[in-house]
Amino acid sequence: GESVGLHLPTLSVQEGDNSIINCAYSNSASDYFIWYKQESGKGPQFIIDIRSNMDKRQGQRVTVLLNKTVKHLSLQIAATQPGDSAVYFCAERDAGNNRKLIWGLGTSLAVNP
Amino acid sequence: DTAVSQTPKYLVTQMGNDKSIKCEQNLGHDTMYWYKQDSKKFLKIMFSYNNKELIINETVPNRFSPKSPDKAHLNLHINSLELGDSAVYFCASRPGQNTGELFFGEGSRLTVL
Repeated sequence: GESVGLHLPTLSVQEGDNSIINCAYSNSASDYFIWYKQESGKGPQFIIDIRSNMDKRQGQRVTVLLNKTVKHLSLQIAATQPGDSAVYFCAERDAGNNRKLIWGLGTSLAVNP
Repeated sequence: DTAVSQTPKYLVTQMGNDKSIKCEQNLGHDTMYWYKQDSKKFLKIMFSYNNKELIINETVPNRFSPKSPDKAHLNLHINSLELGDSAVYFCASRPGQNTGELFFGEGSRLTVL
């Protein structure tokens, strides 16, 4: 079936620590994955994406890891800052309809000063 | 210089009423979406239009009717509002088919009493 889920619905970290947000997906045919950040009162904002021909991609302070063997995706945030506090969503492109994304449930990240 | 703008931001109305939410994007994107986000932050796609043509129509009650007068606008009309329609509705646009990067509006919070 279609599902993109998250292991941890909430995550609390200390400022300056690294954060890891995990995501599991069920469709082994999925070839494109995206992470979004949603701050309170705002719409989701694109962070980083990765295609299935890669297992790692880095951005500014963020790294996405893709393990196709176990159908697992993670977002690592280095030196977490208070401004990183938000809900993070993973999403996969629907293998049957590339115009549609299948969204995960979201993980709330709280950064403690 | 707002990229994706929705109006109104807040909407409080009685059950049984009809209401509309408007969305406009000035990014020149061909594809636009409506998403519904419930109180648990779950994002569910409702509709998508590509250059004024309906391309995604999820299992949404027919009380919901999208309208796209041109590719920069996608409006959502809801008839006979029900309590369960209370949610935040997000409009989004996408620049092309080779990316999963969606540009979201700030959301329209609908409360049905």
